[in-house]
Amino acid sequence: GAVVSQHPSWVICKSGTSVKIECRSLDFQATTMFWYRQFPKQSLMLMATSNEGSKATYEQGVEKDKFLINHASLTLSTLTVTSAHPEDSSFYICSARGTSGDEQFFGPGTRLTVL
Amino acid sequence: QKEVEQDPGPLSVPEGAIVSLNCTYSNSAFQYFMWYRQYSRKGPELLMYTYSSGNKEDGRFTAQVDKSSKYISLFIRDSQPSDSATYLCAMRDRNYGQNFVFGPGTRLSVLP
Repeated sequence: GAVVSQHPSWVICKSGTSVKIECRSLDFQATTMFWYRQFPKQSLMLMATSNEGSKATYEQGVEKDKFLINHASLTLSTLTVTSAHPEDSSFYICSARGTSGDEQFFGPGTRLTVL
Repeated sequence: QKEVEQDPGPLSVPEGAIVSLNCTYSNSAFQYFMWYRQYSRKGPELLMYTYSSGNKEDGRFTAQVDKSSKYISLFIRDSQPSDSATYLCAMRDRNYGQNFVFGPGTRLSVLP
């Protein structure tokens, strides 16, 4: 199956700093990438959808100025959590959909802890 | 009412049992269905992808769709402790550009 990687797998940062998370499709071109957030024992919450070369579409209630998404190429999307606060601590997961299929393939996730 | 509902569990079964995981949905336009398995602290892994009604089998896994009842199921035969995970269903309508709507997931525990 298609492989999606995320980096870093975990990160701890101080309150007020910014953190960038990378999502890469390793063996296919991803026209669309999705960013999710997941709290412990809860389901995935879609944050935004990004198409290569265009601005991301954010879900209602997600601050676009706080969660900056860039999808500059067909294999890379980045999520930057700006001025992170403890309430931003969560598990962030990306997924990618290829040019020829409909399935979404998920990355392994990034655990963010903001002190 | 949520668009997609799942019994959150946890569902505990003995090793070797047949497991039935279910999702109900309210949008009759949904036509494409997926099942994911998510281990703790990992990203979801795609298990099955089905279109419209009917059954699809892959090894120990069978996905079943009943559009008339707006009900989908994932059956796991000969369950193993390694099947212990959270299972998520996802679905969308016929519009390719639409994102999939995910269920909240069911936690499964297979006891040795």
